[in-house]
Amino acid sequence: SQTIHQWPATLVQPVGSPLSLECTVEGTSNPNLYWYRQAAGRGLQLLFYSVGIGQISSEVPQNLSASRPQDRQFILSSKKLLLSDSGFYLCAWTGLAGYTQYFGPGTRLTVL
Amino acid sequence: AQKVTQAQTEISVVEKEDVTLDCVYETRDTTYYLFWYKQPPSGELVFLIRRNSFDEQNEISGRYSWNFQKSTSSFNFTITASQVVDSAVYFCALSGGDYKLSFGAGTTVTVRA
Repeated sequence: SQTIHQWPATLVQPVGSPLSLECTVEGTSNPNLYWYRQAAGRGLQLLFYSVGIGQISSEVPQNLSASRPQDRQFILSSKKLLLSDSGFYLCAWTGLAGYTQYFGPGTRLTVL
Repeated sequence: AQKVTQAQTEISVVEKEDVTLDCVYETRDTTYYLFWYKQPPSGELVFLIRRNSFDEQNEISGRYSWNFQKSTSSFNFTITASQVVDSAVYFCALSGGDYKLSFGAGTTVTVRA
């Protein structure tokens, strides 16, 4: 069966520091991968999605970036965090022919 | 552009009451998919159901049931005989042919013992 992992689970970072969040999927090949952010008390905002290694589409212009160095690995990064980057970051995957997105446990990021 | 509206921000019920969550969507796609997800306090989004636009058959799974009406662009979700464990935020979502999900703002359901 497929599983999706995210780490770290929680993170507290100062403003201006770098960020690296990791997402990995097990038990499947060639998944579509997604990064979402959920600000406190709000809905989910799609940040990036990827249909293959090295292929990244950005939905929202901001100081975040994403990379997919391996088939089942998706990384969210920032060179300098802003206060507004605080939130709950969720990674999701779908199979090649699937429309259902399955989500990871999330990373709760607090920028101080 | 796709849009999902969940008009109810919060719903509070007493255990064993039924609760219905409304979801209205907008899309220009002729083929699309509708979803419901549950987000318990732990934060992880749990997939509940997916419906295809060409299948308007309603579905029941245990205490959960879904009513899909294409004519009114609605995909409502009912929890029968609610329990405290049903307390969560519930999201309705829509996907067209581009594999991307558009989420509603979510409805917070609180079930009191």
